[in-house]
Amino acid sequence: GESVGLHLPTLSVQEGDNSIINCAYSNSASDYFIWYKQESGKGPQFIIDIRSNMDKRQGQRVTVLLNKTVKHLSLQIAATQPGDSAVYFCADTLHGSSNTGKLIFGQGTTLQVKP
Amino acid sequence: DGGITQSPKYLFRKEGQNVTLSCEQNLNHDAMYWYRQDPGQGLRLIYYSQIVNDFQKGDIAEGYSVSREKKESFPLTVTSAQKNPTAFYLCASSTGTEGNSPLHFGNGTRLTVT
Repeated sequence: GESVGLHLPTLSVQEGDNSIINCAYSNSASDYFIWYKQESGKGPQFIIDIRSNMDKRQGQRVTVLLNKTVKHLSLQIAATQPGDSAVYFCADTLHGSSNTGKLIFGQGTTLQVKP
Repeated sequence: DGGITQSPKYLFRKEGQNVTLSCEQNLNHDAMYWYRQDPGQGLRLIYYSQIVNDFQKGDIAEGYSVSREKKESFPLTVTSAQKNPTAFYLCASSTGTEGNSPLHFGNGTRLTVT
């Protein structure tokens, strides 16, 4: 079946270092991918998205890389700050009317930033 | 500010009672969604609605019901038939319905049933 997973449940990094959070997806037909950040007691917050016709997209301090060959997605956070501490979810979906925006979420990686 | 408002933030109910969770958005989004989140797990889709007066079951709809009488509102009722209702419930909305636009989430309602 379709699933989206993250390689590590917890990632601990030193403040100022770069963070890399990984995600593997199973549906090779997925064509839209999103990263969300969820702080404790809050709803997920959109970080960045990427479509399958791209392999890299950059935002402010974040970069998403998509490798369709191995069905792998990663989120890179530059100069990690204490405010980046949260749970990060990847999600994918299949474009098309039958799917109607049904995102499939991974289980999340908890990012801990050490001062 | 535009956004999604879920209320209440915390909700406590006795087993056997139905309870309704509120979700309101002023983003003028057509599509709205309800997800359930359990500790250490990803989000699972309960129900979604693409347009007013229409909604579809998600992956775990049993024991839940929804209505979409207004574009801005998508309340979720957790019925006594839901076997494990204690969870964190998230409402979301999006502009598109074809899986190519991000979902905007509310800050959730934590439901505890004892």
